[in-house]
Amino acid sequence: GDSVTQMEGPVTLSEEAFLTINCTYTATGYPSLFWYVQYPGEGLQLLLKATKADDKGSNKGFEATYRKETTSFHLEKGSVQVSDSAVYFCALSYQGAQKLVFGQGTRLTINP
Amino acid sequence: ETGVTQSPTHLIKTRGQQVTLRCSSQSGHNTVSWYQQALGQGPQFIFQYYREEENGRGNFPPRFSGLQFPNYSSELNVNALELDDSALYLCASTGGRSDSPLHFGNGTRLTVT
Repeated sequence: GDSVTQMEGPVTLSEEAFLTINCTYTATGYPSLFWYVQYPGEGLQLLLKATKADDKGSNKGFEATYRKETTSFHLEKGSVQVSDSAVYFCALSYQGAQKLVFGQGTRLTINP
Repeated sequence: ETGVTQSPTHLIKTRGQQVTLRCSSQSGHNTVSWYQQALGQGPQFIFQYYREEENGRGNFPPRFSGLQFPNYSSELNVNALELDDSALYLCASTGGRSDSPLHFGNGTRLTVT
């Protein structure tokens, strides 16, 4: 079946560091790919998405590119802030943004 | 606009009991999905309701059931609770178009003892 694998956490960085959170997927077709963020005590929020190969999703300084050849959708940010501390989830779906398959999440902590 | 609201926020039940969780969808949204998020894991899809009908189900046993009402709010019912049912239960709503993003509530934390 379809699945999503994220890099093990937790990840701890200093403010202004470069961030990469790896995500790879296994899928029988051509899904849409997503990154969701979960701040402490809050629900999941869509961070960015890409619907086809080579698409780049971007939002709030975060970027991820849909790579079909490597079945990857790695999340990157050039300079992280303390406010980026959260749990990040990679996910896929075949029906637009519905019925998501999530990875296990990566906890990110940014120290000032 | 009002977002997705879930109640209660926390709940403690005993093994074997039944529980009902509630969700009010975001204004204008006619599709509601439920997810189970175990501690330290990603959310897992339970089922989805569209216009009061179940419209897809994940790998969960029949003791997980749901309802959607004419105002598009929804309930998740779990019978014969097991310890492994302890989790954060997330509700998400969307406008129903295949490319509409999901809007999640803050969840209900269920603890089964």
